[in-house]
Amino acid sequence: KAGVTQTPRYLIKTRGQQVTLSCSPISGHRSVSWYQQTPGQGLQFLFEYFSETQRNKGNFPGRFSGRQFSNSRSEMNVSTLELGDSALYLCASSGSSGGPRETQYFGPGTRLLVL
Amino acid sequence: SQKIEQNSEALNIQEGKTATLTCNYTNYSPAYLQWYRQDPGRGPVFLLLIRENEKEKRKERLKVTFDTTLKQSLFHITASQPADSATYLCALGDRYRDDKIIFGKGTRLHILP
Repeated sequence: KAGVTQTPRYLIKTRGQQVTLSCSPISGHRSVSWYQQTPGQGLQFLFEYFSETQRNKGNFPGRFSGRQFSNSRSEMNVSTLELGDSALYLCASSGSSGGPRETQYFGPGTRLLVL
Repeated sequence: SQKIEQNSEALNIQEGKTATLTCNYTNYSPAYLQWYRQDPGRGPVFLLLIRENEKEKRKERLKVTFDTTLKQSLFHITASQPADSATYLCALGDRYRDDKIIFGKGTRLHILP
């Protein structure tokens, strides 16, 4: 099976712009989670989508949003970018059908730099 | 406050020895703990999961223990090799936090040849 793919891998934006990141989960997986990773804060949960519905949300401002399509692919959007949004954005898929999310399979991440 | 803590200092271990990494948590009620490996510039890779009612789990050269009294998990790599050098993350699934998985910041492990 192909792994989790994320596009683009690298992105440079300026403050105030908006950005959309894409994630394709492992075939058959219905849950997609997004994380932000920075050296200072580590890996922080953004949100999780399951069957096109947001199932869980972390403590991030409303500038961070996402969606999931019927084929389980997911996009994450950050509007009005700030310098502090520079990070590695990771998506992870799992096959959970409703119970606790256990084994998550991570993509390679999108490295976002905000100037 | 709620915390999940791993050694922030890098750990240097001689090849062939056992590497032991620590994960301590405060004010969480984990239903399970996980350990992941992350290499530079790559996403974390799942290694092992241990549930609250399990004391120990093994997989090849890896062993994880879970002590709910001490609120601690230990991750061991026996017969360590330079290829084991990476950052290791622990994560827990708290039953009272809507099934969100919370990650520690990771410990950087260097296996010295």
